[in-house]
Amino acid sequence: SQTIHQWPATLVQPVGSPLSLECTVEGTSNPNLYWYRQAAGRGLQLLFYSVGIGQISSEVPQNLSASRPQDRQFILSSKKLLLSDSGFYLCACTGSSETQYFGPGTRLLVL
Amino acid sequence: GENVEQHPSTLSVQEGDSAVIKCTYSDSASNYFPWYKQELGKRPQLIIDIRSNVGEKKDQRIAVTLNKTAKHFSLHITETQPEDSAVYFCAPSRGGSYIPTFGRGTSLIVHP
Repeated sequence: SQTIHQWPATLVQPVGSPLSLECTVEGTSNPNLYWYRQAAGRGLQLLFYSVGIGQISSEVPQNLSASRPQDRQFILSSKKLLLSDSGFYLCACTGSSETQYFGPGTRLLVL
Repeated sequence: GENVEQHPSTLSVQEGDSAVIKCTYSDSASNYFPWYKQELGKRPQLIIDIRSNVGEKKDQRIAVTLNKTAKHFSLHITETQPEDSAVYFCAPSRGGSYIPTFGRGTSLIVHP
């Protein structure tokens, strides 16, 4: 079964600083990959998804970007963080079924 | 896109009571209906799912029922326990798209 790794687990960054969050997947090939953001006490907001290497679809226009340099690696980036970028970032994948498997998440606090 | 609504947004029950959470959706082509549980500070995890060719599925104390005509499906938890306290999300999707639309979540609180 799939295992998803995310790092770092927690991050505190100043406004205007860059961001790079990494997600790697084990146990499946050609997964669909997803980045979600969850504000405190809120639902899951889909940010990006990818159906293959180099293929990224953006669901919400904002100052974030995503890249998929390898089949099982998904990276979320920003050049300049905003206060509103604070939240719980979750990477997820689907394999042969529609079930979403989530990573442990990264808590980002922008000050 | 798909419109998904969950009700109630908060549900408070006594230990041992039953809990029911309903999810309505708009896309008649949806054919996969999962429920995810997210404990405080943790990742969401699938607890039960159903496909459109089945009306009900049960797994011990949890069950999911589907009404495709009315476009809603429900999560049923019987004999609730404090460890059932969590946020529950529905996320219907259509086959082949792999893009689910998550509901806004239902916070279930089980009082001992």
